[in-house]
Amino acid sequence: DAMVIQNPRYQVTQFGKPVTLSCSQTLNHNVMYWYQQKSSQAPKLLFHYYDKDFNNEADTPDNFQSRRPNTSFCFLDIRSPGLGDAAMYLCATSSGPENYQLAKNIQYFGAGTRLSVL
Amino acid sequence: QKEVEQNSGPLSVPEGAIASLNCTYSDRGSQSFFWYRQYSGKSPELIMFIYSNGDKEDGRFTAQLNKASQYVSLLIRDSQPSDSATYLCAVRDFNKFYFGSGTKLNVKP
Repeated sequence: DAMVIQNPRYQVTQFGKPVTLSCSQTLNHNVMYWYQQKSSQAPKLLFHYYDKDFNNEADTPDNFQSRRPNTSFCFLDIRSPGLGDAAMYLCATSSGPENYQLAKNIQYFGAGTRLSVL
Repeated sequence: QKEVEQNSGPLSVPEGAIASLNCTYSDRGSQSFFWYRQYSGKSPELIMFIYSNGDKEDGRFTAQLNKASQYVSLLIRDSQPSDSATYLCAVRDFNKFYFGSGTKLNVKP
């Protein structure tokens, strides 16, 4: 059973038209992440939530926003998508870092949303 | 900025051979290390994690960690064409995971 679910799997939007990607989890993990991954590149962390605490990466453009209304759900909003924002967007979850020796310390990924910008 | 370095490859091995993938990291204080497999167009899938020096085996996969030298490796025994993918090394630091750009593995039948 899928534990981290992303919707939609494929999203096509127009240049400048806002888009929202969603992520839900059944693991009850307190940390949720959003990554952007372009072809042949490492996943690039955009931001993460530790419970309700939002942590933005310094180089994440203001065009990207996130919301976490409750433990299970997290959203990625792209306010004005540009051609350069076409990528795979990955949601992931993990438990807190204190159990680094345990399987809880693993990061689980959703299947991803492939975003195309026309 | 934490650095995680991998050779981009491609690494080509014949079916049945041992594939050896390597990763180095910059932060000596890092505590847990991960190998993910990623097929083209798919999301990363965890293969193994390791936190103690030495070897950790799981089926055909062995992860090796050497904290003094700051490297972690993944050995794949009896490589199969289905192992052809990009392998990502990741290092955890508190709540963040730092990824290498991956090594592309091709297993030739």
